[in-house]
Amino acid sequence: DAKTTQPTSMDCAEGRAANLPCNHSTISGNEYVYWYRQIHSQGPQYIIHGLKNNETNEMASLIITEDRKSSTLILPHATLRDTAVYYCIVPEPGAGNNRKLIWGLGTSLAVNP
Amino acid sequence: DGGITQSPKYLFRKEGQNVTLSCEQNLNHDAMYWYRQDPGQGLRLIYYSQIVNDFQKGDIAEGYSVSREKKESFPLTVTSAQKNPTAFYLCASSIGDSDAYGYTFGSGTRLTVV
Repeated sequence: DAKTTQPTSMDCAEGRAANLPCNHSTISGNEYVYWYRQIHSQGPQYIIHGLKNNETNEMASLIITEDRKSSTLILPHATLRDTAVYYCIVPEPGAGNNRKLIWGLGTSLAVNP
Repeated sequence: DGGITQSPKYLFRKEGQNVTLSCEQNLNHDAMYWYRQDPGQGLRLIYYSQIVNDFQKGDIAEGYSVSREKKESFPLTVTSAQKNPTAFYLCASSIGDSDAYGYTFGSGTRLTVV
């Protein structure tokens, strides 16, 4: 199964950039990498996804290595409200139309004042 | 605003009773999903539906049932056969089967067996 590896927890100072790494060394060539975050006792929130190229939206930037074996989510100016668990996810390989996302334990990011 | 509504937010059930969790979306999404989350664990897929009147079991379907009679609605019933139903339940939807789109989640229902 395609799996992801993330640090269990990270800290970041308010106003600084938060860089969250993810390893997905078994990802296949046509699978996207998705990032979500979950604030305590709420549903996960979609952040960004990418295939090969770096991506940026109003929430974050996603940097994907050329070999696609790892990626980094960047929150450019972290705020206290960015404190959450961040999930890096890839679909179950070979799932086709019955695509299922494989959820790990994510990285618990604490943004400190 | 479009989104997914789960109700109720908190639910208490006596042992041996069935209970139904509601999930409604007005995003015009074809696919809908039910996940279960336990403390310190990732999300686990219970059931999913790609189109109306069709659904498939996920990884932990035992003790659960679903229906998809309308595109907008995907209720989950937790039956008495589910041995450990206390958990946080999350409903999600997506545009379809394309890998290019992410999921939209509801705010969850926390079920407690008393």
